[in-house]
Amino acid sequence: AQKITQTQPGMFVQEKEAVTLDCTYDTSDPSYGLFWYKQPSSGEMIFLIYQGSYDQQNATEGRYSLNFQKARKSANLVISASQLGDSAMYFCAMREGLMEYGNKLVFGAGTILRVKS
Amino acid sequence: AAGVIQSPRHLIKEKRETATLKCYPIPRHDTVYWYQQGPGQDPQFLISFYEKMQSDKGSIPDRFSAQQFSDYHSELNMSSLELGDSALYFCASSSGQGASYNSPLHFGNGTRLTVT
Repeated sequence: AQKITQTQPGMFVQEKEAVTLDCTYDTSDPSYGLFWYKQPSSGEMIFLIYQGSYDQQNATEGRYSLNFQKARKSANLVISASQLGDSAMYFCAMREGLMEYGNKLVFGAGTILRVKS
Repeated sequence: AAGVIQSPRHLIKEKRETATLKCYPIPRHDTVYWYQQGPGQDPQFLISFYEKMQSDKGSIPDRFSAQQFSDYHSELNMSSLELGDSALYFCASSSGQGASYNSPLHFGNGTRLTVT
């Protein structure tokens, strides 16, 4: 079964507007972490934001915020005031707490975001 | 801040040749992960090491092997290369102490392997 689902293959947003990238996940483990990564066309994988399964508040990092709805198993990324440099592939990923250490990241299929000027 | 270092950045090999990719984790990170990302795909987990021991194994072909050395750097060895092995190979590291799921993996810039 797919652990991470990103239903939007591609998104367009106007510069300076906000955009929401969707992510739903599937796990029976009560301990898990949700992550968003940005991959520009140059290829590097850049960590953006983290949300833990026990966190009561939504995570925020600058222009990035995570809309965490635990009951719905969703962890949407919100980018405010989009910039041209935000154009990239965005991956939602999860680490489950199955092992004491070294739990791997499992990625969704990604969403390509294009910011229009 | 120091990041994960991967070498080489680009590698071109012919079918049936061998390749070795190297990864130097962030200092004091004891866990290393290898991922393979095909064109237009999400990264797929290959294998991981914690304190020089294999900790998890994913969809790694039998033609590939990897190890983590005493200085925590890791190498991915790929033999009998096939056209389908052409991909971006990422190494990532994390600290294994008390952070089994709530810390991010830090990725290197990747090695782009092209098999012709």
